[in-house]
Amino acid sequence: GAVVSQHPSWVICKSGTSVKIECRSLDFQATTMFWYRQFPKQSLMLMATSNEGSKATYEQGVEKDKFLINHASLTLSTLTVTSAHPEDSSFYICSGGRDEQYFGPGTRLTVT
Amino acid sequence: SQQGEEDPQALSIQEGENATMNCSYKTSINNLQWYRQNSGRGLVHLILIRSNEREKHSGRLRVTLDTSKKSSSLLITASRAADTASYFCATDANNAGNMLTFGGGTRLMVKP
Repeated sequence: GAVVSQHPSWVICKSGTSVKIECRSLDFQATTMFWYRQFPKQSLMLMATSNEGSKATYEQGVEKDKFLINHASLTLSTLTVTSAHPEDSSFYICSGGRDEQYFGPGTRLTVT
Repeated sequence: SQQGEEDPQALSIQEGENATMNCSYKTSINNLQWYRQNSGRGLVHLILIRSNEREKHSGRLRVTLDTSKKSSSLLITASRAADTASYFCATDANNAGNMLTFGGGTRLMVKP
Protein backbone atom coordinates (compact mmCIF):
# COMPACT_ATOMS: atom_id res chain seq x y z
CA GLY A 1 0.00 0.00 0.00
CA ALA A 2 0.91 3.66 -0.23
CA VAL A 3 3.12 5.23 2.40
CA VAL A 4 2.57 8.33 4.45
CA SER A 5 5.29 9.59 6.74
CA GLN A 6 5.16 12.02 9.60
CA HIS A 7 7.91 13.99 11.22
CA PRO A 8 8.70 14.19 14.02
CA SER A 9 7.39 10.98 15.57
CA TRP A 10 7.41 12.60 18.97
CA VAL A 11 8.14 16.06 20.32
CA ILE A 12 8.23 17.69 23.72
CA CYS A 13 7.89 21.45 23.87
CA LYS A 14 7.37 24.14 26.44
CA SER A 15 4.07 25.91 26.88
CA GLY A 16 3.80 28.95 24.63
CA THR A 17 6.05 27.67 21.87
CA SER A 18 5.01 26.52 18.41
CA VAL A 19 5.50 23.09 16.90
CA LYS A 20 5.37 22.08 13.25
CA ILE A 21 4.39 18.58 12.21
CA GLU A 22 5.01 17.38 8.66
CA CYS A 23 2.96 14.85 6.76
CA ARG A 24 4.34 13.49 3.50
CA SER A 25 2.87 11.15 0.95
CA LEU A 26 5.88 9.21 -0.30
CA ASP A 27 4.56 7.40 -3.36
CA PHE A 28 1.39 9.18 -4.37
CA GLN A 29 0.11 12.69 -4.86
CA ALA A 30 -2.46 13.96 -2.40
CA THR A 31 -4.55 16.98 -3.25
CA THR A 32 -6.35 16.42 0.01
CA MET A 33 -4.97 15.26 3.32
CA PHE A 34 -6.66 14.96 6.67
CA TRP A 35 -5.43 15.78 10.15
CA TYR A 36 -6.75 13.90 13.16
CA ARG A 37 -6.15 14.19 16.87
CA GLN A 38 -6.37 11.34 19.33
CA PHE A 39 -6.39 11.72 23.09
CA PRO A 40 -5.43 8.74 25.27
CA LYS A 41 -7.87 5.85 25.11
CA GLN A 42 -10.11 7.77 22.74
CA SER A 43 -10.87 7.56 19.07
CA LEU A 44 -9.54 9.73 16.28
CA MET A 45 -11.25 13.05 15.85
CA LEU A 46 -10.97 14.89 12.56
CA MET A 47 -9.46 18.33 13.01
CA ALA A 48 -9.22 19.65 9.49
CA THR A 49 -9.04 18.89 5.80
CA SER A 50 -5.89 20.12 4.14
CA ASN A 51 -6.34 21.19 0.52
CA GLU A 52 -3.39 21.63 -1.81
CA GLY A 53 -3.20 25.20 -3.01
CA SER A 54 -6.11 26.49 -0.98
CA LYS A 55 -7.21 27.08 2.58
CA ALA A 56 -7.80 24.23 4.94
CA THR A 57 -11.29 23.37 6.13
CA TYR A 58 -11.58 23.10 9.89
CA GLU A 59 -14.04 21.06 11.89
CA GLN A 60 -16.30 22.77 14.34
CA GLY A 61 -14.50 23.63 17.54
CA VAL A 62 -11.01 23.57 16.04
CA GLU A 63 -9.32 26.96 16.11
CA LYS A 64 -7.86 27.74 12.71
CA ASP A 65 -5.53 30.38 14.12
CA LYS A 66 -4.11 27.92 16.60
CA PHE A 67 -3.71 24.97 14.27
CA LEU A 68 -2.19 26.36 11.11
CA ILE A 69 -2.28 24.07 8.11
CA ASN A 70 -0.24 24.54 4.98
CA HIS A 71 -0.51 22.23 1.97
CA ALA A 72 2.03 23.77 -0.37
CA SER A 73 2.67 20.75 -2.56
CA LEU A 74 0.97 17.54 -3.62
CA THR A 75 3.13 15.52 -1.25
CA LEU A 76 3.41 17.68 1.85
CA SER A 77 1.01 19.06 4.39
CA THR A 78 2.12 20.70 7.61
CA LEU A 79 0.28 21.32 10.86
CA THR A 80 1.67 23.99 13.16
CA VAL A 81 0.40 24.09 16.72
CA THR A 82 0.91 27.69 17.74
CA SER A 83 1.35 28.85 21.31
CA ALA A 84 0.98 25.29 22.51
CA HIS A 85 -0.55 24.56 25.90
CA PRO A 86 -0.57 21.36 27.95
CA GLU A 87 -4.12 20.61 26.81
CA ASP A 88 -2.79 20.39 23.24
CA SER A 89 -0.78 17.33 24.24
CA SER A 90 -2.11 14.58 22.04
CA PHE A 91 -1.36 12.14 19.25
CA TYR A 92 -1.68 13.84 15.86
CA ILE A 93 -2.22 11.66 12.79
CA CYS A 94 -2.50 12.60 9.13
CA SER A 95 -3.88 10.64 6.23
CA GLY A 96 -4.14 10.84 2.46
CA GLY A 97 -5.29 8.67 -0.41
CA ARG A 98 -8.28 7.92 -2.58
CA ASP A 99 -10.73 5.15 -1.77
CA GLU A 100 -8.41 3.89 0.89
CA GLN A 101 -6.88 6.37 3.28
CA TYR A 102 -3.27 5.78 4.22
CA PHE A 103 -2.34 6.95 7.64
CA GLY A 104 0.92 8.32 8.88
CA PRO A 105 2.49 6.74 11.97
CA GLY A 106 1.44 9.69 14.11
CA THR A 107 3.21 12.38 16.09
CA ARG A 108 3.02 12.39 19.86
CA LEU A 109 3.10 15.95 21.17
CA THR A 110 3.74 16.63 24.82
CA VAL A 111 3.53 20.22 26.01
CA THR A 112 5.09 20.86 29.40
CA SER B 1 -17.42 14.36 15.03
CA GLN B 2 -17.80 10.65 15.50
CA GLN B 3 -20.16 8.91 13.14
CA GLY B 4 -21.32 6.20 15.46
CA GLU B 5 -20.72 3.74 18.18
CA GLU B 6 -18.69 0.60 18.53
CA ASP B 7 -19.73 -2.27 20.68
CA PRO B 8 -18.32 -3.50 22.93
CA GLN B 9 -15.96 -0.80 24.12
CA ALA B 10 -13.69 -3.46 25.57
CA LEU B 11 -13.42 -7.20 25.00
CA SER B 12 -11.24 -9.75 26.73
CA ILE B 13 -10.98 -13.30 25.38
CA GLN B 14 -8.69 -16.31 25.50
CA GLU B 15 -6.33 -17.13 22.70
CA GLY B 16 -8.06 -19.32 20.12
CA GLU B 17 -11.50 -17.85 20.69
CA ASN B 18 -13.30 -15.68 18.17
CA ALA B 19 -13.76 -11.95 18.70
CA THR B 20 -16.70 -10.03 17.30
CA MET B 21 -16.90 -6.25 17.24
CA ASN B 22 -19.83 -4.22 16.02
CA CYS B 23 -20.05 -0.75 14.55
CA SER B 24 -23.07 1.42 13.89
CA TYR B 25 -23.17 4.60 11.87
CA LYS B 26 -25.67 7.30 11.07
CA THR B 27 -25.40 8.57 7.50
CA SER B 28 -25.23 6.92 4.10
CA ILE B 29 -21.75 5.79 3.13
CA ASN B 30 -19.52 5.00 0.18
CA ASN B 31 -17.57 2.45 2.17
CA LEU B 32 -16.69 1.37 5.66
CA GLN B 33 -13.18 0.51 6.78
CA TRP B 34 -11.72 -1.27 9.77
CA TYR B 35 -8.41 -0.31 11.31
CA ARG B 36 -6.23 -1.70 14.06
CA GLN B 37 -4.13 0.39 16.38
CA ASN B 38 -1.59 -0.95 18.80
CA SER B 39 -1.11 1.13 21.91
CA GLY B 40 0.50 4.46 21.11
CA ARG B 41 1.07 3.53 17.49
CA GLY B 42 -0.35 4.45 14.10
CA LEU B 43 -3.29 2.89 12.35
CA VAL B 44 -3.09 -0.28 10.31
CA HIS B 45 -5.68 -0.67 7.58
CA LEU B 46 -7.41 -4.06 7.83
CA ILE B 47 -10.22 -4.17 5.34
CA LEU B 48 -12.51 -1.97 3.26
CA ILE B 49 -16.06 -2.95 2.41
CA ARG B 50 -18.06 -0.97 -0.10
CA SER B 51 -21.68 -0.01 0.35
CA ASN B 52 -22.79 -2.52 -2.29
CA GLU B 53 -20.98 -5.39 -0.58
CA ARG B 54 -22.40 -7.46 2.25
CA GLU B 55 -19.46 -9.54 3.36
CA LYS B 56 -15.73 -9.60 2.90
CA HIS B 57 -12.96 -11.90 4.08
CA SER B 58 -9.27 -11.38 4.58
CA GLY B 59 -7.35 -14.16 6.27
CA ARG B 60 -8.81 -14.58 9.77
CA LEU B 61 -10.94 -11.46 9.36
CA ARG B 62 -14.55 -11.42 8.28
CA VAL B 63 -16.45 -8.17 7.86
CA THR B 64 -20.15 -7.81 7.25
CA LEU B 65 -22.09 -4.73 6.28
CA ASP B 66 -25.82 -4.16 6.63
CA THR B 67 -26.66 -0.81 5.09
CA SER B 68 -30.33 -1.13 6.00
CA LYS B 69 -29.37 -1.25 9.67
CA LYS B 70 -26.35 1.03 9.20
CA SER B 71 -24.14 -1.45 10.96
CA SER B 72 -21.02 -3.53 10.38
CA SER B 73 -19.27 -6.26 12.26
CA LEU B 74 -15.67 -7.44 12.38
CA LEU B 75 -15.00 -11.05 13.29
CA ILE B 76 -11.52 -12.22 14.13
CA THR B 77 -11.34 -16.00 14.18
CA ALA B 78 -8.86 -18.12 16.13
CA SER B 79 -7.52 -15.08 17.95
CA ARG B 80 -3.89 -14.73 18.95
CA ALA B 81 -2.22 -12.71 21.67
CA ALA B 82 -0.76 -10.53 18.90
CA ASP B 83 -4.31 -9.46 17.98
CA THR B 84 -4.43 -7.44 21.21
CA ALA B 85 -5.08 -3.87 20.04
CA SER B 86 -7.80 -1.29 19.58
CA TYR B 87 -10.02 -1.73 16.56
CA PHE B 88 -11.82 1.15 14.88
CA CYS B 89 -14.42 1.31 12.19
CA ALA B 90 -14.42 4.36 9.96
CA THR B 91 -16.97 5.46 7.42
CA ASP B 92 -16.41 7.28 4.17
CA ALA B 93 -19.69 9.11 3.75
CA ASN B 94 -21.15 10.16 0.44
CA ASN B 95 -19.87 13.51 -0.80
CA ALA B 96 -17.33 13.78 2.00
CA GLY B 97 -14.25 13.73 -0.20
CA ASN B 98 -12.83 10.54 1.32
CA MET B 99 -12.88 12.05 4.79
CA LEU B 100 -13.20 9.27 7.35
CA THR B 101 -15.29 9.45 10.49
CA PHE B 102 -14.24 7.07 13.21
CA GLY B 103 -16.22 5.08 15.71
CA GLY B 104 -15.23 5.00 19.35
CA GLY B 105 -13.21 1.84 19.03
CA THR B 106 -13.11 -1.54 20.73
CA ARG B 107 -10.15 -2.43 22.93
CA LEU B 108 -9.47 -6.11 22.44
CA MET B 109 -7.30 -8.10 24.79
CA VAL B 110 -6.40 -11.66 23.87
CA LYS B 111 -4.98 -13.59 26.79
CA PRO B 112 -2.39 -16.26 26.02
